[in-house]
Amino acid sequence: GAGVSQSPSNKVTEKGKDVELRCDPISGHTALYWYRQSLGQGLEFLIYFQGNSAPDKSGLPSDRFSAERTGGSVSTLTIQRTQQEDSAVYLCASSWYGQGAVEQYFGPGTRLTVT
Amino acid sequence: GIQVEQSPPDLILQEGANSTLRCNFSDSVNNLQWFHQNPWGQLINLFYIPSGTKQNGRLSATTVATERYSLLYISSSQTTDSGVYFCAVERLSEKLVFGKGTKLTVNP
Repeated sequence: GAGVSQSPSNKVTEKGKDVELRCDPISGHTALYWYRQSLGQGLEFLIYFQGNSAPDKSGLPSDRFSAERTGGSVSTLTIQRTQQEDSAVYLCASSWYGQGAVEQYFGPGTRLTVT
Repeated sequence: GIQVEQSPPDLILQEGANSTLRCNFSDSVNNLQWFHQNPWGQLINLFYIPSGTKQNGRLSATTVATERYSLLYISSSQTTDSGVYFCAVERLSEKLVFGKGTKLTVNP
């Protein structure tokens, strides 16, 4: 597609439920990132996928958070047993991969509200 | 880890005014990006500028990598420029580290 897409755009869930958030990167981009934007923490890195390499999970806040990327394209971020502090906007980004840093492009985000 | 500081945190302008937003970072970087977050929350890429100067219409940016800062210039501001401007940097890790942003309000 023309840009990074994410679904759903909004998600309201009850505390304790599991949620899945989806990201479709820009076609041809091999690197995919998840970030979270919350009032208290600003924009923070969660996880990074590059090709077939093991993902960099260093930003995941707890073991309730996991992510996978199937076929080197679509990614799903799963939050188990959601807590109120998980309420935030979850942003996905993608980029080409090359020697050195490259520009990242962001999707519109999924606004998660845990009640 | 690397620290990113943006100033000012808030800026209110009248339409037509010019402004300069600043981003200071604590270490050398491989990547520096400026984003505009619109009222709907979308992060829009403005500049990919790890060093040097770029211009795009009324916006321009300069990064002085040796002195660890970047500036975003907005000229002849318009109400549609309102929103939050983020600076983000990356250092050898593929992960962008964001500043807290500058909230810009342009009044008609």
